[in-house]
Amino acid sequence: RKEVEQDPGPFNVPEGATVAFNCTYSNSASQSFFWYRQDCRKEPKLLMSVYSSGNEDGRFTAQLNRASQYISLLIRDSKLSDSATYLCVVIDYGDTDKLIFGTGTRLQVFP
Amino acid sequence: DADVTQTPRNRITKTGKRIMLECSQTKGHDRMYWYRQDPGLGLRLIYYSFDVKDINKGEISDGYSVSRQAQAKFSLSLESAIPNQTALYFCATTQSPSSGANVLTFGAGSRLTVL
Repeated sequence: RKEVEQDPGPFNVPEGATVAFNCTYSNSASQSFFWYRQDCRKEPKLLMSVYSSGNEDGRFTAQLNRASQYISLLIRDSKLSDSATYLCVVIDYGDTDKLIFGTGTRLQVFP
Repeated sequence: DADVTQTPRNRITKTGKRIMLECSQTKGHDRMYWYRQDPGLGLRLIYYSFDVKDINKGEISDGYSVSRQAQAKFSLSLESAIPNQTALYFCATTQSPSSGANVLTFGAGSRLTVL
């Protein structure tokens, strides 16, 4: 089983739709979680951290479910500009502070 | 200027050639990383460094070497490039977790093609 797994998609949704992605992780001791956004052929950029209590940033909501070992990202009122690949990142702190990336979920928003 | 600068941005080379990708950062971060990205495989860690005297192998270090010349500089070398090293390479930096900041900042990427 991969350490961090994401559905690669693509998720094709119309403008205005609500879409959600999940990311599962295998290490129950994982401590920090993030969502990054990557546009085609560009570098990943931090979208938002994921806090235990869940957090919201505008149209984006991130949640953590430790019992089931997954994080989620919900995008409301999708815009064309939301089209990108969304990467989840899990950090296991320890001797190496291991950062583990999912392979990403591709979102395509159409008019 | 970008916080994390990679050079070259694009490079085409031939099998067997030595290639160096350079990364410099102005964020004052301790930690620097080299990743490669291939379609369908996501980002895979090649090497990482927590300070100037610290070099660590990642999950796919074979065929690569690195040098941390200064806190701000971390270079990746391919001693004898081969076609399956064709990929998009990213340098990234972060502060140590004890600082409370563990966000990765990426460079814009170096696209390497080995013929």
